[in-house]
Amino acid sequence: SAVISQKPSRDICQRGTSLTIQCQVDSQVTMMFWYRQQPGQSLTLIATANQGSEATYESGFVIDKFPISRPNLTFSTLTVSNMSPEDSSIYLCSVEDNRGFEAFFGQGTRLTVV
Amino acid sequence: GQNIDQPTEMTATEGAIVQINCTYQTSGFNGLFWYQQHAGEAPTFLSYNVLDGLEEKGRFSSFLSRSKGYSYLLLKELQMKDSASYLCAVRDKTGANNLFFGTGTRLTVIP
Repeated sequence: SAVISQKPSRDICQRGTSLTIQCQVDSQVTMMFWYRQQPGQSLTLIATANQGSEATYESGFVIDKFPISRPNLTFSTLTVSNMSPEDSSIYLCSVEDNRGFEAFFGQGTRLTVV
Repeated sequence: GQNIDQPTEMTATEGAIVQINCTYQTSGFNGLFWYQQHAGEAPTFLSYNVLDGLEEKGRFSSFLSRSKGYSYLLLKELQMKDSASYLCAVRDKTGANNLFFGTGTRLTVIP
């Protein structure tokens, strides 16, 4: 299993500002994943962060809005840029085991934009 | 694309058995997963099915029928701590083999 530390755990932000969420894993992993979970909704994959290359974004998500960094094999950041109330959500970092099988999640960042 | 459906809410009595159903449509099925998520916490892995049939793990069992695009999670001897959301997720090997989640079923266990 993997232990994932994610911070901040929650934040309240003003619209128009940006927030960077950090994700630290206790082991080296090839890919790290960022999900969004809006109230009453499923987890939706935002992007896959690969070390040494640009992140791969899913349909509906763009780099200008959600820039991602992956400086090494144990750390990644997701920035939510130019926030609006619609960005209020839980953001989750995830990694998979070596088989690409089971997913492990961080505790999530509960973001409220006012 | 993926289309994963599960009931929004269920209520069951402590000590009873509850079955949470999940139907899915996906072009490149590569496994079905069940996760448990308590309020304010991260999802945690419960079970995995890739072949048809029943997988049993203690009080929890999961069933899969690939031909029907159907799975269920069976929880036996319900405990109050089982009150949580249960997420059905499908891995799709088309493209990047990503996980796609249903909206989750919020289970409330009552005394």
